[in-house]
Amino acid sequence: GAVVSQHPSRVICKSGTSVKIECRSLDFQATTMFWYRQFPKQSLMLMATSNEGSKATYEQGVEKDKFLINHASLTLSTLTVTSAHPEDSSFYICSAIPRTSDYGYTFGSGTRLTVV
Amino acid sequence: TQLLEQSPQFLSIQEGENLTVYCNSSSVFSSLQWYRQEPGEGPVLLVTVVTGGEVKKLKRLTFQFGDARKDSSLHITAAQPGDTGLYLCAPITSGNTPLVFGKGTRLSVIA
Repeated sequence: GAVVSQHPSRVICKSGTSVKIECRSLDFQATTMFWYRQFPKQSLMLMATSNEGSKATYEQGVEKDKFLINHASLTLSTLTVTSAHPEDSSFYICSAIPRTSDYGYTFGSGTRLTVV
Repeated sequence: TQLLEQSPQFLSIQEGENLTVYCNSSSVFSSLQWYRQEPGEGPVLLVTVVTGGEVKKLKRLTFQFGDARKDSSLHITAAQPGDTGLYLCAPITSGNTPLVFGKGTRLSVIA
């Protein structure tokens, strides 16, 4: 089946630094990937839609200059949290749809970001 | 934007009990998916329902799509600790549009 790999699974960084999270589709090509953020005890909140070869589309309230998304190939999207602050600490999850599937959203296993 | 309401938000039950969780909207869904998310993991697809009135079974889980396609339910029979997790529903719109989830039902099954 379709597999989405996310790396790293956990990261701790200092305030003011930047962190890059990778999302890879391992056995399929994904022209579109999605990034979500999940705070403790809450649901997944859509942050942005990542489009291969073009600019990402951000949801209202998500700062595009803070959360940089790059989708340079059909199998890789990256989310960079710039100048991270403790309030950015969260669980970040990516998702992709295989081209051959109408409904098959596949999720990565998430990245737990802690900013200290 | 289709506003989803899931209920209950939290549910704690004993092993062996039955339960039902709900996903409702004032809008009509073309189709809908249910996911389960375990702590520290991404959501995993349980089922996709596409036809009004449809019932799908997955072992002890029974999913129903309302006749009017505005609501759905998930019934778990004889819950087990392994059923613990966050249950999420999301409507499918079209093509490459993202899933937008409800707030979810956080289920805890106590042995």
